[in-house]
Amino acid sequence: EVQLVESGGGLVQPGGSLRLSCGASGFTFSSYWMHWVRQPPGKGLVWVSRINSNGRSAKYADSVKGRFTISRDNAKNTLYLQMNRLTVEDTAVYYCARDPDTLHFDSWGQGTLVTVSS
Amino acid sequence: SYELTQPPSVSVSPGQTARITCSGDALPKQYVYWYQQKTGQAPVLVIYKDNERPSGIPERFSGSRSGTTVTLTISGVQAEDEADYYCQSADSSDPSYVFGPGTKVTVL
Repeated sequence: EVQLVESGGGLVQPGGSLRLSCGASGFTFSSYWMHWVRQPPGKGLVWVSRINSNGRSAKYADSVKGRFTISRDNAKNTLYLQMNRLTVEDTAVYYCARDPDTLHFDSWGQGTLVTVSS
Repeated sequence: SYELTQPPSVSVSPGQTARITCSGDALPKQYVYWYQQKTGQAPVLVIYKDNERPSGIPERFSGSRSGTTVTLTISGVQAEDEADYYCQSADSSDPSYVFGPGTKVTVL
C-alpha cells in the first residue's frame, strides 16, 4: 500500500523558515516524480513544486520561486520542502503527492499545516 | 499560465446524476484529471486522462470531454459523494500544473 506521511508543519513568524518532510513507503520512491501541493484555509488546491525522480530537476510556482527549495533523498525514501522568507500568504495545509506520469497526482499524504503568523 | 473554470457548486438528490464541468482554452491539447476531497481529508484521484477510473473508484464516476470542456459525471449519486471536486491539467512539456477552483457537490 502506498503511504505518504508529511511532517514538519507548525507555527512560524513571518520571515521565518520551516522544512517539511514527506516519508514514502509501499512503492519504489526513486522511480517517481514527487510534488508539493498546498491548500490555504477554506480555499482550493495550489501546486507548489515538483522534483523529478533522480532529484536533478525541479520546478516551482511563481509564488514560491526563490524562497522554497524542493529536494529528495532516495536512499531514505523522503521528500523535502525547505521554506524560507515565509509570509502569511504561505499559510496552508501542505500535501506531498506522487506523480505516476509527470502529469498528475495519484497518491496524496494526509497533509501538514503551516501557519505563518506573528 | 492558464486557468481552469468550474462551477462553484452543484446540488443533486440521492440517486440522481451530478455533472461537473471544467473548461479552459488549453484543454483540447491536455488531459484532465479529477480529484475528490471530503471535508478534512486529503484529495483522492477519481478520474485520470479524461475518462479513466483508478482501481477502487466506483463505476458511477465517469469522465468525458467536448472541445474545451471536460465533464465529471457521478451517476446515481450517494450521500458519501458529497465533497469538493477539483479538475487539474498540465502541459506536457516541462509541465506546469493547474487546478480548477473546485466544485462543491451537495447531496440534498
